[in-house]
Amino acid sequence: DAGVIQSPRHEVTEMGQEVTLRCKPISGHDYLFWYRQTMMRGLELLIYFNNNVPIDDSGMPEDRFSAKMPNASFSTLKIQPSEPRDSAVYFCASSLMAGGGAGETQYFGPGTRLLVL
Amino acid sequence: DAKTTQPNSMESNEEEPVHLPCNHSTISGTDYIHWYRQLPSQGPEYVIHGLTSNVNNRMASLAIAEDRKSSTLILHRATLRDAAVYYCILSPLSGNTGKLIFGQGTTLQVKP
Repeated sequence: DAGVIQSPRHEVTEMGQEVTLRCKPISGHDYLFWYRQTMMRGLELLIYFNNNVPIDDSGMPEDRFSAKMPNASFSTLKIQPSEPRDSAVYFCASSLMAGGGAGETQYFGPGTRLLVL
Repeated sequence: DAKTTQPNSMESNEEEPVHLPCNHSTISGTDYIHWYRQLPSQGPEYVIHGLTSNVNNRMASLAIAEDRKSSTLILHRATLRDAAVYYCILSPLSGNTGKLIFGQGTTLQVKP
């Protein structure tokens, strides 16, 4: 398996523009997670899905952020409008089961480095 | 959620063992202890996890204190490639939500 695939790997945009980040989880994994990493706040969980259904979006910073998972092999994280403070590395991860107490591993993608000017 | 405390940074010499400590004094009886690491410019990767007993795998060993209030990740022979941020994370078994809450971790520097 190719692992978790994210695109684009780098994105530079101007404030106010719409940004769409894409993620393809590992085939057969039922859980998909979106994280954001900044120097100030570290690695934060934004939202996660189970069987394509959003389970917990309490980490989504505000209404400008939205995430969808239309099918088991694809998810998007959209920022509209983007702001300079959204600059960060965004990671997608997937796991076969709930990647926590069950000890199930979360597999992370390489991340998308977003810079909003 | 139970918290973990790790040193901000540690140094090691190449080919020597490394012991990375983690304190989790408020751990509950059903919390798993997970370790992930993040190499420079990469996403985090799983290292090891355990509940009560010490664990070994091809990457590392996990030593868990008898009272479970602390644990130690052991890299038996550090290589330059092991330079990374190491995260110690607790996650509950019961009512598991799948969340992994990452702290600041320990930045490990490996010197040749």
